[in-house]
Amino acid sequence: AQKITQTQPGMFVQEKEAVTLDCTYDTSDPSYGLFWYKQPSSGEMIFLIYQGSYDQQNATEGRYSLNFQKARKSANLVISASQLGDSAMYFCAMSQPGYSSASKIIFGSGTRLSIRP
Amino acid sequence: DSGVTQTPKHLITATGQRVTLRCSPRSGDLSVYWYQQSLDQGLQFLIQYYNGEERAKGNILERFSAQQFPDLHSELNLSSLELGDSALYFCASSAGLRDSHQETQYFGPGTRLLVL
Repeated sequence: AQKITQTQPGMFVQEKEAVTLDCTYDTSDPSYGLFWYKQPSSGEMIFLIYQGSYDQQNATEGRYSLNFQKARKSANLVISASQLGDSAMYFCAMSQPGYSSASKIIFGSGTRLSIRP
Repeated sequence: DSGVTQTPKHLITATGQRVTLRCSPRSGDLSVYWYQQSLDQGLQFLIQYYNGEERAKGNILERFSAQQFPDLHSELNLSSLELGDSALYFCASSAGLRDSHQETQYFGPGTRLLVL
């Protein structure tokens, strides 16, 4: 069965430091997508970054990069030069293909990141 | 702003009642997804619609139903509400290309439902 595991319930990081949020996944399907979303205290879900299972290079979006290690089935999010506004809940997610445009995302349990000034 | 809109933002109702949550996808997106976020269950996929037709089903209760209309907006109907249905309900949309699982889903702000 497909599964996403985030083993860090909470993390504290000093402002301006880099932080890595862990994510491992389990699937037998060769085609899948991996996502990271940020959920601030206001509640909205903000898309951060996407990695396709066939992508050769690690995805990057500004200060966010995804460390994709396919053999280990890990998709860690790296945030460089953390800012106070990065304090939020972070969810790793995996999408699975289905028939004729069907798709669904399964989410990990999340990591609450707190940035210290 | 993701471009996905959801109404209402907040909803307070009583057990046994029925409510309807509304979602308008991003302009041009054909796929709409519904998710439930609760403290004990986390984020759960409920159902997906593509261009008016149901495409994928997740952990959606029989008391819940959804539809997508010709103008592509979607509604999630929750009936015979129970205390445990209190949650944040998200709608998301994506373009709806052939390989939908490779598309980013953009989430709306959510509807916070409280059942008393």
